Amino acid sequence: AQSVTQPDIHITVSEGASLELRCNYSYGATPYLFWYVQSPGQGLQLLLKYFSGDTLVQGIKGFEAEFKRSQSSFNLRKPSVHWSDAAEYFCAVGGAGGNKLVFGAGTILRVKS
Amino acid sequence: KAGVTQTPRYLIKTRGQQVTLSCSPISGHRSVSWYQQTPGQGLQFLFEYFSETQRNKGNFPGRFSGRQFSNSRSEMNVSTLELGDSALYLCASSRVNTGELFFGEGSRLTVL
Repeated sequence: AQSVTQPDIHITVSEGASLELRCNYSYGATPYLFWYVQSPGQGLQLLLKYFSGDTLVQGIKGFEAEFKRSQSSFNLRKPSVHWSDAAEYFCAVGGAGGNKLVFGAGTILRVKS
Repeated sequence: KAGVTQTPRYLIKTRGQQVTLSCSPISGHRSVSWYQQTPGQGLQFLFEYFSETQRNKGNFPGRFSGRQFSNSRSEMNVSTLELGDSALYLCASSRVNTGELFFGEGSRLTVL
């Protein structure tokens, strides 16, 4: 069965510090992997995606993620966090041919000044 | 370019009633997906429509249904509402079949 695990429910980082959000997935075929962000009262916004090729992908707002097939992981990183990055982050997995995604439970990021 | 528009944004219903939610996708997007978001279950896929046909369906009871019109606008309906149907219902549109979804702000349903 397809599943996504985000081990950290909450993470607090200081503004300017680096960030890594963890994501592990289980998927029977070649996965399409995504990170979405949701601000309070808003819908989700796509940060970045991985389909194939280079395992380090760049996204919007200075985020990047690295796909590691051997570890079934797709961790999200940012070298320097800004207060405006405070939000909930969701990792998701899907496959070719459709838009049915399986989402992780989300990680709430708090940024302290 | 206008984003995904969902109406109504907020609504309150009582158990046993039914509700219809509407979604207008981004112009040119032919795929519309619906997701339910709750604190306990997180984000769960309901169904996806493409060119007026249901292409994928999640694991929800038959009380949850949807449709898509020729202009790609979509509606979802929940009949015989239960307390557990209280949730944020998110609509997402896409131009491609790769999971790159553009979400609306959602319709928050409260069932009393």
